[in-house]
Amino acid sequence: DVKVTQSSRYLVKRTGEKVFLECVQDMDHENMFWYRQDPGLGLRLIYFSYDVKMKEKGDIPEGYSVSREKKERFSLILESASTNQTSMYLCASSRGQGAIEAFFGQGTRLTVV
Amino acid sequence: AQKVTQAQTEISVVEKEDVTLDCVYETRDTTYYLFWYKQPPSGELVFLIRRNSFDEQNEISGRYSWNFQKSTSSFNFTITASQVVDSAVYFCALSERYNTNAGKSTFGDGTTLTVKP
Repeated sequence: DVKVTQSSRYLVKRTGEKVFLECVQDMDHENMFWYRQDPGLGLRLIYFSYDVKMKEKGDIPEGYSVSREKKERFSLILESASTNQTSMYLCASSRGQGAIEAFFGQGTRLTVV
Repeated sequence: AQKVTQAQTEISVVEKEDVTLDCVYETRDTTYYLFWYKQPPSGELVFLIRRNSFDEQNEISGRYSWNFQKSTSSFNFTITASQVVDSAVYFCALSERYNTNAGKSTFGDGTTLTVKP
């Protein structure tokens, strides 16, 4: 069974903390993505990666960075968490060019206080 | 720029009713891909369908059907004889021509469907 696993389901962090959200996929997919989901705003792409050590900005990259040192793992980093980064974060992966579907993790609900 | 509009924020129906979720999109590309995903309460989005812009055939899969009309830039989703397990948030999404990597898409805001017993 294909799987995308996000390390935490719920996180509470303090303003100014450095936060790491981890995502692992076991399908040997080339592509990985980080989205945030907010009520009334749908899903918005933060960053994505087509290969190891490769990253590209999505629509809302400000305040975030990513790391992909291994094919199966894609990390989202909040260098200095702020309250407006309180959100649901979703990781996804897909096979490669022409992939028909993406597979999503269960999400991490991050609260920054 | 591309855009996906799901005008229905919330829909509530009684079990066994048919329900249609609307999706209207905007893109300048002539080649593009449209998706529907389901997000149950567990949180992870589940892929339902992908349709490319050259294929306007309607599709049926069990109780689910999709109506793609380029003339009105719509890709609507109908659930026939709805069930309580259909309760979820449903997202319509669009990927442009140069991006065929499923996952990099523009999403609508989602429609929350509640099916009552």
